Amino acid sequence: EAQVTQNPRYLITVTGKKLTVTCSQNMNHEYMSWYRQDPGLGLRQIYYSMNVEVTDKGDVPEGYKVSRKEKRNFPLILESPSPNQTSLYFCASKRSTGELFFGEGSRLTVL
Amino acid sequence: AQRVTQPEKLLSVFKGAPVELKCNYSYSGSPELFWYVQYSRQRLQLLLRHISRESIKGFTADLNKGETSFHLKKPFAQEEDSAMYYCALRHHNAGNMLTFGGGTRLMVKP
Repeated sequence: EAQVTQNPRYLITVTGKKLTVTCSQNMNHEYMSWYRQDPGLGLRQIYYSMNVEVTDKGDVPEGYKVSRKEKRNFPLILESPSPNQTSLYFCASKRSTGELFFGEGSRLTVL
Repeated sequence: AQRVTQPEKLLSVFKGAPVELKCNYSYSGSPELFWYVQYSRQRLQLLLRHISRESIKGFTADLNKGETSFHLKKPFAQEEDSAMYYCALRHHNAGNMLTFGGGTRLMVKP
């Protein structure tokens, strides 16, 4: 089954404690992306990757890092999380038709 | 700069009533627009795209370049249409990024 898998789905952490949200897709898509979803602000792109070892900033990259060492994986790294990074995060990969295929989301709370 | 605006955060209608979710955009190039939907506890998924000119689950959306709009319409709303709807604009740049609107929550009451 084609899917985008994110882990963890839910996480509560404290300010400054490094964390990584993993994202994996099994569709051999070249393009992957991370979004955060906040009430009233919709979805905002954090980072995207056109292919292995190619990553670029989206609209709101501050406080985040990503890596793309393999085509299937695109982890999101918060080196020193802060409360304003409390959000719902979505990973997505892009189909050849151009549409995005989303993961189920990871709800992060930073205390 | 590209921008997508969904003026209504919440739209509440009764079952069987017509529904229109508004979307306006600003983009200097030739726009490619999408509607995505997120049902409760499910992932975001594509509902329709303007270049397909199709009707999905009874929904249609027409691109109006003069008014820079891409409103989503359905003549008779159903309870199962209750969801969060996002309008999105695709940039034809190196990243082919999607810019999303702020979303509209549609509630269809029985």
